[in-house]
Amino acid sequence: DTGVSQDPRHKITKRGQNVTFRCDPISEHNRLYWYRQTLGQGPEFLTYFQNEAQLEKSRLLSDRFSAERPKGSFSTLEIQRTEQGDSAMYLCASSSLRGRNYNEQFFGPGTRLTVL
Amino acid sequence: SQQGEEDPQALSIQEGENATMNCSYKTSINNLQWYRQNSGRGLVHLILIRSNEREKHSGRLRVTLDTSKKSSSLLITASRAADTASYFCATDNTGANSKLTFGKGITLSVRP
Repeated sequence: DTGVSQDPRHKITKRGQNVTFRCDPISEHNRLYWYRQTLGQGPEFLTYFQNEAQLEKSRLLSDRFSAERPKGSFSTLEIQRTEQGDSAMYLCASSSLRGRNYNEQFFGPGTRLTVL
Repeated sequence: SQQGEEDPQALSIQEGENATMNCSYKTSINNLQWYRQNSGRGLVHLILIRSNEREKHSGRLRVTLDTSKKSSSLLITASRAADTASYFCATDNTGANSKLTFGKGITLSVRP
């Protein structure tokens, strides 16, 4: 399978706990994005990487959130001291900035987080 | 903030009919992308149309783009029950560092 993969698919945690999600992008893609989607809404941008550099963070990304892409391949998104408002689907996407369909973003299956 | 606004918000049709969904946006774009999402699942990329293109086809899908009206439409011909899903348009806005801005989506129900 050469698509974007995410792990875990589901995470249930208690308020105050830390959680970490992983995303493996399509191998030749240099851009990796994190989005968050709540029920009935479209995905909202959180942050993105070009190779290992984190180039932009949304104001939605509070200081409890941190993302890394240490070797320019997989990425992790950590949420510290989770709150019930963090419950959402966390989506990862990757793209290439080369070729005809510049920035065509392909999404993973998402990690559904439930904070109790 | 969400830029794209899809119309209608919900659409119910009979299998075999065509489904037309519209998307409007506010700023200049590099491209516009349509996605499908089945309940509780990730987004499946359907088609990308660049700002200098006016129409694009992929199988039973036809996408148009009118940059003067800042609008796009997605036509699904000969719909099937399996097309039942939510559909999102997303814009790659000029100067926005390639992040996508999504609308709230259209819920399509295809009755068998």
